[in-house]
Amino acid sequence: GAGVSQSPRYKVAKRGQDVALRCDPISGHVSLFWYQQALGQGPEFLTYFQNEAQLDKSGLPSDRFFAERPEGSVSTLKIQRTQQEDSAVYLCASSPGTKRYEQYFGPGTRLTVT
Amino acid sequence: AQKVTQAQTEISVVEKEDVTLDCVYETRDTTYYLFWYKQPPSGELVFLIRRNSFDEQNEISGRYSWNFQKSTSSFNFTITASQVVDSAVYFCALSPASGNTGKLIFGQGTTLQVKP
Repeated sequence: GAGVSQSPRYKVAKRGQDVALRCDPISGHVSLFWYQQALGQGPEFLTYFQNEAQLDKSGLPSDRFFAERPEGSVSTLKIQRTQQEDSAVYLCASSPGTKRYEQYFGPGTRLTVT
Repeated sequence: AQKVTQAQTEISVVEKEDVTLDCVYETRDTTYYLFWYKQPPSGELVFLIRRNSFDEQNEISGRYSWNFQKSTSSFNFTITASQVVDSAVYFCALSPASGNTGKLIFGQGTTLQVKP
């Protein structure tokens, strides 16, 4: 497909479970971003990759959150020991470069922790 | 501090009315980029426009227009002759040139409802 894809689209996890969220960026896009969007709020930055290098993880809320992009394309956001406050939509975006380029967003994964 | 404020939480208009969505930003960077995104009910953020801090020229694209005023740190968005399909949440975002990420700092969003 031409756009950013994310899977699963919906995930329900019991508190304490680990989850893994996948992002397939647009082919050839160097930059990949993860954002967290709580209900009724704007997206908030989590982490950034340039190719396979994680250059900024300042937005990750705790050490339970971990992201990787081992081959510079597909990325996975992992949340360990999920808590109720982790319930949100997780958005992935890719971009051909940084800063002055627009980011193309995927449809998001809605995570509900019960 | 880097911050974007969209003071209007919800706006409701009747079709064919003009509507302006306000955006005020804060940054200490002299070089930065401003964006508007649309989030329809399907949830996927759609890019609308990007401006850099050195270009204060207003822009028009069809029914959409943007007014960038550096003196007041505002980047407002106007929809002329609104249509039902314009109903969505609209986000203004800031990307400072400092740092090495290009991450977007979003406002809280304005929900626009256009009634037939």
